[in-house]
Amino acid sequence: SQELEQSPQSLIVQEGKNLTINCTSSKTLYGLYWYKQKYGEGLIFLMMLQKGGEEKSHEKITAKLDEKKQQSSLHITASQPSHAGIYLCGADKTTGTASKLTFGTGTRLQVTL
Amino acid sequence: KAGVTQTPRYLIKTRGQQVTLSCSPISGHRSVSWYQQTPGQGLQFLFEYFSETQRNKGNFPGRFSGRQFSNSRSEMNVSTLELGDSALYLCASRSGKSGANVLTFGAGSRLTVL
Repeated sequence: SQELEQSPQSLIVQEGKNLTINCTSSKTLYGLYWYKQKYGEGLIFLMMLQKGGEEKSHEKITAKLDEKKQQSSLHITASQPSHAGIYLCGADKTTGTASKLTFGTGTRLQVTL
Repeated sequence: KAGVTQTPRYLIKTRGQQVTLSCSPISGHRSVSWYQQTPGQGLQFLFEYFSETQRNKGNFPGRFSGRQFSNSRSEMNVSTLELGDSALYLCASRSGKSGANVLTFGAGSRLTVL
């Protein structure tokens, strides 16, 4: 089965600093999804990438999918305490319909004042 | 527009018992998926239902089952509970229409097995 490697596993950054989280697959991805989770709660959708080289931004978060569609990065600019949480990448390995997603192990982000 | 609603939010069971969890998808969404999240295994796909039919199934034992009703509401059942079944169970829905591929998750049902 396809594994998704996320790095780093955890991250502590000072408020105002930039950070990047990576998600890597050994196989081509048909769809790559980024979610954020507060501890013990549901997942909040951030962005979906499907095309090689695609880049999307929302507020201070930018996600990119490389040309080969095997690696994605999530970049947060000028981090704020509200950005704290667990970031998960999820991949659709077959149909591109989100029918069955494989998730990475998550990156726990703490933002200090 | 109401989100995905899961009930109950928390429950405690003992080994050997069974449990039923409920999920009401976003109005108009026909696809419901279930995921299990544990500290050790992370977030894992259980199954997906679309128009009352199971379309995909993850690698879980037969003790885990589900169903979907004509109004798209879904239930999952775990029989003969084991300690390892303690987890956050997440339900997600999507419309199922072509091009609409984003999963919207509920807040989850946290199951503790003693």
